[in-house]
Amino acid sequence: GQQVMQIPQYQHVQEGEDFTTYCNSSTTLSNIQWYKQRPGGHPVFLIQLVKSGEVKKQKRLTFQFGEAKKNSSLHITATQTTDVGTYFCAGQGADKLIFGTGTRLQVFP
Amino acid sequence: DAGVIQSPRHEVTEMGQEVTLRCKPISGHDYLFWYRQTMMRGLELLIYFNNNVPIDDSGMPEDRFSAKMPNASFSTLKIQPSEPRDSAVYFCATKPSEQFFGPGTRLTVL
Repeated sequence: GQQVMQIPQYQHVQEGEDFTTYCNSSTTLSNIQWYKQRPGGHPVFLIQLVKSGEVKKQKRLTFQFGEAKKNSSLHITATQTTDVGTYFCAGQGADKLIFGTGTRLQVFP
Repeated sequence: DAGVIQSPRHEVTEMGQEVTLRCKPISGHDYLFWYRQTMMRGLELLIYFNNNVPIDDSGMPEDRFSAKMPNASFSTLKIQPSEPRDSAVYFCATKPSEQFFGPGTRLTVL
């Protein structure tokens, strides 16, 4: 079945450093969504990418969808302690989302 | 809008007991998803409904798990009998396009 993998599994950074998480699908995706889950919280929708090669920005966050629509990345510039949490990508499969394994980000002040 | 509402927020029960988790979706969202999250297995889709009809229950781990959606405003996930390995956080989510997650129910089976 369709699988979505993310790397790295964990990332510890010093506040102010950049952070990137990568998402890879075993199949071509119609679109990809990104979610953030704070510790003890629930996943919250961040953004959706639809077009091949699409790049979207939300303040310090940059999201990219690969040309082949099988991979995606999330880059955070100059991390802050508020960025702590687990970031999930999710590929659209028919009606349902296939969630990636997640990358847990820890930011040290 | 209050968002997706789940109850209870925490449940501690003993092995063998029946557990019922409840979800009230956002009004107008015609899809409802039940997920289970653990450290070992991550976020797993258990079952989802469209217009109250179960569409895909292939993620339901065993016959001990069952889910219903009797109307557009309410869904339940039942575990009978519960086992310690069922301990997890269970999320309900609904969508028009992106998914809106409820706060989750943290289940501990002793």
